Amino acid sequence: AQKITQTQPGMFVQEKEAVTLDCTYDTSDPSYGLFWYKQPSSGEMIFLIYQGSYDQQNATEGRYSLNFQKARKSANLVISASQLGDSAMYFCAMREADNTDKLIFGTGTRLQVFP
Amino acid sequence: DTAVSQTPKYLVTQMGNDKSIKCEQNLGHDTMYWYKQDSKKFLKIMFSYNNKELIINETVPNRFSPKSPDKAHLNLHINSLELGDSAVYFCASSGQVNEKLFFGSGTQLSVL
Repeated sequence: AQKITQTQPGMFVQEKEAVTLDCTYDTSDPSYGLFWYKQPSSGEMIFLIYQGSYDQQNATEGRYSLNFQKARKSANLVISASQLGDSAMYFCAMREADNTDKLIFGTGTRLQVFP
Repeated sequence: DTAVSQTPKYLVTQMGNDKSIKCEQNLGHDTMYWYKQDSKKFLKIMFSYNNKELIINETVPNRFSPKSPDKAHLNLHINSLELGDSAVYFCASSGQVNEKLFFGSGTQLSVL
């Protein structure tokens, strides 16, 4: 069963607008962490934001915020005031508190920001 | 002073050859990983080591053999390379549970 689902293979957004990238997850573990990574065309994996399952508030990091809806098992990434440099692949990932510490990734969403 | 460094960045080789990718982290982390990213950009974990001990082996063919001489290094050796091994291989490390993974810059492996 897919543990992390990103249903949007591609998204377009105009510069300076906000965009939401969807992510749903599946786990029976009460303790887990959710991550978003950005992969520009240069290929490196850049950490953006983290949300812990017990965190009371939605995580924010500059223009990035995470819309965490625990009951719906969703952790959508919101990018405000999009910039051309935001064009990249975005991956949602989950880490369960088991003894493996592995990060499981979704299939990614390719975001294109146009002027 | 790169946190996670892997070499080489590009590797082009013939089918049947044996090759190695090296990875080193200077973050003092206990856990290191190898991930494979296929042509569709899907990232899948291959191995993880904690303090030089193998923790995860995600049904990777025996031709792939990770080696961790110490907790700062995790190398990946691949025997008898096949066309399907062409991918980007990422090394990563992490500290405590629920800490982010720090990724290396990736190794683009092309098997001809």
